[in-house]
Amino acid sequence: DSGVTQTPKHLITATGQRVTLRCSPRSGDLSVYWYQQSLDQGLQFLIQYYNGEERAKGNILERFSAQQFPDLHSELNLSSLELGDSALYFCASSALGQGQAPLHFGNGTRLTVT
Amino acid sequence: SQQGEEDPQALSIQEGENATMNCSYKTSINNLQWYRQNSGRGLVHLILIRSNEREKHSGRLRVTLDTSKKSSSLLITASRAADTASYFCATDNAGNMLTFGGGTRLMVKP
Repeated sequence: DSGVTQTPKHLITATGQRVTLRCSPRSGDLSVYWYQQSLDQGLQFLIQYYNGEERAKGNILERFSAQQFPDLHSELNLSSLELGDSALYFCASSALGQGQAPLHFGNGTRLTVT
Repeated sequence: SQQGEEDPQALSIQEGENATMNCSYKTSINNLQWYRQNSGRGLVHLILIRSNEREKHSGRLRVTLDTSKKSSSLLITASRAADTASYFCATDNAGNMLTFGGGTRLMVKP
């Protein structure tokens, strides 16, 4: 058990809709990362937050947004969903900045857009 | 874009054999990490090796790093069926952004 909790585990929704994915980081970790994993694109870094502030941005679409709250949990909002957004979305946390320490991954949210 | 590329993409071996996976990357790194992913689950960290280290061990795992060749290898000795998973290398390059490769799918047959 990594200590990172993601909800929901599965999400099925229609094109054009908006969903929110939630992540609780491991106790004590200040950094939260969001990754998208799809068969054709592999594991893609979306965005990182550190203690409530955005720290790094990767291949995140403008239709996607995220935030980290004072209690350090994070939410990833996906809007105007398209079929191609179907993927596994992972949250990870670490005590230090990205790359400096191991990342602890949750078990992901599997999003299916129909 | 992917900084690290694993080779081979898929590997099938018998239980008890050794498995070797390779990772090549393009730009200078601060460190390199290896992760394992069981099907449909989150990634699990295995080993972090810093750019000034050449070899690191953890149980049945041995990781080497050759910065002159921009490559790393992960060796799993005496493999078990439970080692069946995908293995990813991840590099920490400029900006401290961790970039994952496409992974090697390892199947260990009992």
